[in-house]
Amino acid sequence: GAVVSQHPSRVICKSGTSVKIECRSLDFQATTMFWYRQFPKQSLMLMATSNEGSKATYEQGVEKDKFLINHASLTLSTLTVTSAHPEDSSFYICSARDGVRGGGETQYFGPGTRLLVL
Amino acid sequence: GQQVMQIPQYQHVQEGEDFTTYCNSSTTLSNIQWYKQRPGGHPVFLIQLVKSGEVKKQKRLTFQFGEAKKNSSLHITATQTTDVGTYFCAPSGGSNYKLTFGKGTLLTVNP
Repeated sequence: GAVVSQHPSRVICKSGTSVKIECRSLDFQATTMFWYRQFPKQSLMLMATSNEGSKATYEQGVEKDKFLINHASLTLSTLTVTSAHPEDSSFYICSARDGVRGGGETQYFGPGTRLLVL
Repeated sequence: GQQVMQIPQYQHVQEGEDFTTYCNSSTTLSNIQWYKQRPGGHPVFLIQLVKSGEVKKQKRLTFQFGEAKKNSSLHITATQTTDVGTYFCAPSGGSNYKLTFGKGTLLTVNP
């Protein structure tokens, strides 16, 4: 149980294009989903927190107009990197919290998406 | 957010040796979680500690939460090559149980 999937697992795009990453909770309802970014050999940095049906809360320094987050259902959240540039190349990881069944402090992580912007 | 310092940053051991990573906070934590990330992989939840002085064991892994709830440690007895990876501590807090990850300790094991 508690499986989170991410799609795509890897994407290469040209500078200036937009990229959408999907995060799905497969066997539970995720009231809250989190989006992280991880640069090589560094820790995970939280970008934003999204609750189903409401606007995402972004961490300080993260541009909300560049990283669009939508959490339209209890099993799906999307992150769109708009007008991507080479400095946006990174490992993007989502996680989900099962707040419906309680005991919701544990986050279940997706496998991540490696984004390379040329 | 709740900041934590994690040491050491890197640790290289011979297979069979023990390993310990430490996580320290300047403020009292309500709880702390530990994650393992294999090279090229994603973080996998290991355990959550909540009570002052709590000690939990998972086979060769021993997790401790300090009496003052300001520090935590993960100890691995007799390391194996499968233990290779980065170990992160992460306190959670707030209404959404937001995690703040430490910088992690990268463990490499020489067979």
